Formats: sequence, C-alpha cells, structure tokens
Amino acid sequence: NAGVTQTPKFQVLKTGQSMTLQCAQDMNHEYMSWYRQDPGMGLRLIHYSVGAGITDQGEVPNGYNVSRSTTEDFPLRLLSAAPSQTSVYFCASTRTGGRKLFFGSGTQLSVL
Amino acid sequence: KQEVTQIPAALSVPEGENLVLNCSFTDSAIYNLQWFRQDPGKGLTSLLLIQSSQREQTSGRLNASLDKSSGRSTLYIAASQPGDSATYLCAVRNNAGNMLTFGGGTRLMVKP
Repeated sequence: NAGVTQTPKFQVLKTGQSMTLQCAQDMNHEYMSWYRQDPGMGLRLIHYSVGAGITDQGEVPNGYNVSRSTTEDFPLRLLSAAPSQTSVYFCASTRTGGRKLFFGSGTQLSVL
Repeated sequence: KQEVTQIPAALSVPEGENLVLNCSFTDSAIYNLQWFRQDPGKGLTSLLLIQSSQREQTSGRLNASLDKSSGRSTLYIAASQPGDSATYLCAVRNNAGNMLTFGGGTRLMVKP
C-alpha cells in the first residue's frame, strides 16, 4: 500500500546543478501536483497534471519543468538550481473532481 | 486571488482540553475545504474534507465546520491528547479543478 512515493528524501546541490525529483503513485490518480513549502509562505503550487501528456503551471513555476508520460509518474526537474529553490518539496495526487489530496513524505532540498 | 489565514500560528494546551483551530478565506465562492495534519519532517495527511454545500464533517474526535458566507472554517478537537501534537493546515479549492490555496498552519502542542 505505497500511496505517493517521493525520492530522494534529502538532496544538497550546488548552484547551477540540475536534478530530478521523482514522484510515483500507485492509486491510479489522474491528478498529480508538486508543491514547495517554505517557512512563512505555506505550501505553493509549482506545476500540476490532470492526466498523462497534460501539464500546467501553478503559482510558482519558474525554474522548474515537469512532464507526465505515464499515469503513475510525475517528475520535477530543476534545470539550473538556485539558492532560492532551497525548500521542502511535496508531490500530491488525487482522483479528479476535487477529492482528498494524498501527499508524499517530501524531499528536503538545499542549494548552496 | 484567494487568501487563506490561520490564527493562531501556534497553540499549546494541556492534555484533555477541547480546542478550536480557525481558518478564514477571502473568496467565499469555494468548491470545498480540507483540513490536513502535518507531523515534523513528514507529508500532509488529509483529515476532513467539507464540500461547499455542507456545514460540517466529523471523524472521531475531530469536527470541522464551514460557514461560506463569513469565509470561515473551524476544526474542533475534543479531549486533546499528546499524539494530536502536529501542525494543522486548512486548504481551499475554488472550483472543480484541483488547485488548492493553503493557509500557513497552526502548530499545536498538547502537553501531558
């Protein structure tokens, strides 16, 4: 009963490096999303997808890319990491229609 | 733009006390509202979801109410326990899509 799985749990990058945060769900959810959580800012939506092949921008998309080639996977790519991207990143999924959102356990990212 | 506020930001109570957490939102045209729990270093767990047509939802010792016209929701926790210590977040969905606007959370500590 895995639910939403995120890897890695922790990551340290240098400015300018690239990396991909992985997210997978086994609940056949159509909707997947990425949030970042910062002290004093709450959770903010980065990108989301309503199905394979369909992605859209959220509130804070700059500096991040996503793709959705399968229903199960929704990776988040940082092409050139910046210190402002130091944050905790959460992946979440749900069935479409405004139902309960299921979250992964998060990735803590530090960019030096 | 929808804004969600949670007051207080932190709350400390003795074990056994009944308590109320508050959530207010600026745009009353919501689709639904969710309350989440977040433990340190963990992801968010959905506790209760209230549809816009509902006034309240209950799960065990938790009761969430919704007053759309006044832009408010409350989460009532009965007979609080140390295991209830966590951060509680509310999130509002404004339409049948899946984009949520989160409040900043209330950090609750229940002392034995």
